[in-house]
Order: sequence, then structure tokens, then C-alpha cells
Amino acid sequence: GAVVSQHPSWVICKSGTSVKIECRSLDFQATTMFWYRQFPKQSLMLMATSNEGSKATYEQGVEKDKFLINHASLTLSTLTVTSAHPEDSSFYICSASTAHTGELFFGEGSRLTVL
Amino acid sequence: RKEVEQDPGPFNVPEGATVAFNCTYSNSASQSFFWYRQDCRKEPKLLMSVYSSGNEDGRFTAQLNRASQYISLLIRDSKLSDSATYLCVVGYNFNKFYFGSGTKLNVKP
Repeated sequence: GAVVSQHPSWVICKSGTSVKIECRSLDFQATTMFWYRQFPKQSLMLMATSNEGSKATYEQGVEKDKFLINHASLTLSTLTVTSAHPEDSSFYICSASTAHTGELFFGEGSRLTVL
Repeated sequence: RKEVEQDPGPFNVPEGATVAFNCTYSNSASQSFFWYRQDCRKEPKLLMSVYSSGNEDGRFTAQLNRASQYISLLIRDSKLSDSATYLCVVGYNFNKFYFGSGTKLNVKP
């Protein structure tokens, strides 16, 4: 079946630095990928919808200048958390859908800890 | 009003029990319906798609009621390993998905 891979699975960084997370669809082309954030014991929160070759669509309250999304190819989307602060520490998950079945496949998630 | 609503639970049930979750959605044009399972500190994983005619996979049965705009998940003979959060996901146009907040299930010995 379709597989979505995310990297890195965990990262620790200093406050003020930027962190890039990659999301790849391994055996299908994903014109649309999604980025979520999940804080402990809370539900998934959609941050943005990433469209190949165009600008991402951000959900209300998500700063597009802080969370930079690039979807340069049909198999890769990246999320860059710029000038990270401790409150950005969270579990970031990507997903992609296949037009064939309409199912959503999730990456393994990236746990970010900002010191 | 949220696009998808779920009872957050938790549902605390003994092993062997039958438990049912419901999820309501607001967009009548929704096209695809899924139940995902999420374990603590892990990504959601597809449990089963939900078809109009209803479908069953072992101990799990999913049903869709378009008229009342809800989907359900029934788990029979609950196992300890069923303890997780169950997410209802409703899709529209293959590029728009709405999530429920998840229902937490605790199966006790």
C-alpha cells in the first residue's frame, strides 16, 4: 500500500534556530499533502494544506512566515519551523492522499523539542 | 459548528465487551469516510474505510448513515490491545479532510 515517510522522527534544537521536516510519498504521487501539529493529549490540528507547485493554504491562526511549507515535487513536501521557540515543541505529522482511493496516509511524525 | 464531531470519551470497558463509537459530520456532500486508530505518541493509522453498505473486518464493523450524517464503529470482544484513540475522518474531493477530535478507548483486564 501507499507509504508516507517523514524525517527526522525526532529533533532537539536550541531556541531561535530553524528546523526542517521532510515528508515524502514513497510509492505514489501526492499533489496534496497536509501538515498537522499535535500537543500532548490533544487532537490533531491541521496547520496547512500543501499543494504541489503552488503556495500552501494555511489554517486560521497558523503563521505562514513561521511555518514555511514547500511542495516542490509530487513526492516531497517540507515544513520549516523558523526561529523555533519552546512553545513550538510538539508532534508534527504530515499526510498525503491518493486520488485513487481517497485514503489519507500519515507519516510517522516528527517530535520537535525546542530548548 | 465543527465539521466532524466525536465524543472524546474516555470509554472504559472490560475485556470482551462490545463498544460503539459514533461520529457526526456536517457536510452532506462528504464523499469518503474513515476510521483511524492512533496510539499514544504515534501517527494515526487507517483502521478501516467506511462504505455506504457497511463493512466488517474481523471484530470491527463500520457503518455509514448518510441520511442522518453519521458513521459508527463497533468493536466486539474488546482486547487490551484495542486501547487507543479512534479518529473519525471525513473526506471531500480527495483533497479536503476533516477530523473528529478522537474517542479514547481504555480496555481494562
